[in-house]
Amino acid sequence: DAGVIQSPRHEVTEMGQEVTLRCKPISGHNSLFWYRQTMMRGLELLIYFNNNVPIDDSGMPEDRFSAKMPNASFSTLKIQPSEPRDSAVYFCASSITGFQPQHFGDGTRLSIL
Amino acid sequence: SQKIEQNSEALNIQEGKTATLTCNYTNYSPAYLQWYRQDPGRGPVFLLLIRENEKEKRKERLKVTFDTTLKQSLFHITASQPADSATYLCATDQTGANNLFFGTGTRLTVIP
Repeated sequence: DAGVIQSPRHEVTEMGQEVTLRCKPISGHNSLFWYRQTMMRGLELLIYFNNNVPIDDSGMPEDRFSAKMPNASFSTLKIQPSEPRDSAVYFCASSITGFQPQHFGDGTRLSIL
Repeated sequence: SQKIEQNSEALNIQEGKTATLTCNYTNYSPAYLQWYRQDPGRGPVFLLLIRENEKEKRKERLKVTFDTTLKQSLFHITASQPADSATYLCATDQTGANNLFFGTGTRLTVIP
């Protein structure tokens, strides 16, 4: 079975540019999560979808961040405009329901210069 | 506010010994707790889930305990091997939320 697929694996871009991260969850999973991981703050939840509907976006740092889930098999996380402090590894995860074990993709390592 | 802590940033042990990692939580009472393993450059991988009414859970060389009085979970790896070297994360449900709250992880190194 294919796991959670994220793209790109690495992204290097200049400050001010728009960045779009993509995620394909595991088929049949109803919950999708976007996380950001840094050495200082660990793994932080940014936003959580259930059945394609955003449930909790309180972790989104500011208005520069937005996330969409147009259908059950695709989600995007967008940063516009990007800033150097956004540099981190961004993970997408999915689960059957919110309380079940989560399956993570291998992340996108984002560097904003 | 709700807080989850993994006491050790890093732990080194000799091959063959038992590794014990600690996860403490404060200001809430989670219904369950999960442990994940993360290798460099990879996403976390689920290992074990234990519910508040369970004292202990085992899976092969792994054992997890959940003490709701001490507000603590212990994660044990018996007969440790160099291949067990990784970062281990604990996570709990959050009060009133349908998602997980992760600790910052403990980096385990098993020395041959």
